[in-house]
Amino acid sequence: AQSVTQLGSHVSVSEGALVLLRCNYSSSVPPYLFWYVQYPNQGLQLLLKYTSAATLVKGINGFEAEFKKSETSFHLTKPSAHMSDAAEYFCAAWGAAGNKLTFGGGTRVLVKP
Amino acid sequence: DVKVTQSSRYLVKRTGEKVFLECVQDMDHENMFWYRQDPGLGLRLIYFSYDVKMKEKGDIPEGYSVSREKKERFSLILESASTNQTSMYLCASSLWAVADTQYFGPGTRLTVL
Repeated sequence: AQSVTQLGSHVSVSEGALVLLRCNYSSSVPPYLFWYVQYPNQGLQLLLKYTSAATLVKGINGFEAEFKKSETSFHLTKPSAHMSDAAEYFCAAWGAAGNKLTFGGGTRVLVKP
Repeated sequence: DVKVTQSSRYLVKRTGEKVFLECVQDMDHENMFWYRQDPGLGLRLIYFSYDVKMKEKGDIPEGYSVSREKKERFSLILESASTNQTSMYLCASSLWAVADTQYFGPGTRLTVL
């Protein structure tokens, strides 16, 4: 069973529009949750992480994510997309499937001018 | 800044060849990881290591082995490369073993013909 699910493998947004990337996890115990970004021809870098301190987590580059236990979700948002946000985004959970980091399938974001 | 480097960005090998992928980190991290990245599947853990000369299997270890003789270096070995091992390989490291930020290298895109 998929432990981390990202809805939508591709998302297209207009510059200045809201970016919303969805992530759901399947675990009886809320795991530690992460969002990573991969720019073209680069490795992954951390955007933000949830470690139970606060349900709304702010990250780099204007991104934030909200942990909702009742919905087992950790959706990523940015109020206004910039061309530089074009990248692939990965949701990941530590503890959702053993003592390791489990990744979702990724969502590629295209930003239209 | 943490730096994780991988020996090659692109590699082309023939079926049956023995392939070595090298990863070096410069931040004295205890933990190192090898992932495979395929479209739609996200990242899948191949092997990881929590200490020198120590290794643990991840989710997809078949056809791979690893070596960690020094703390800063973690090698992935394809004993006999096959076409289904054509993929992007990402190395990562982290300071703590549990739920810590992982720092990724730029990846090696391996093509097996």
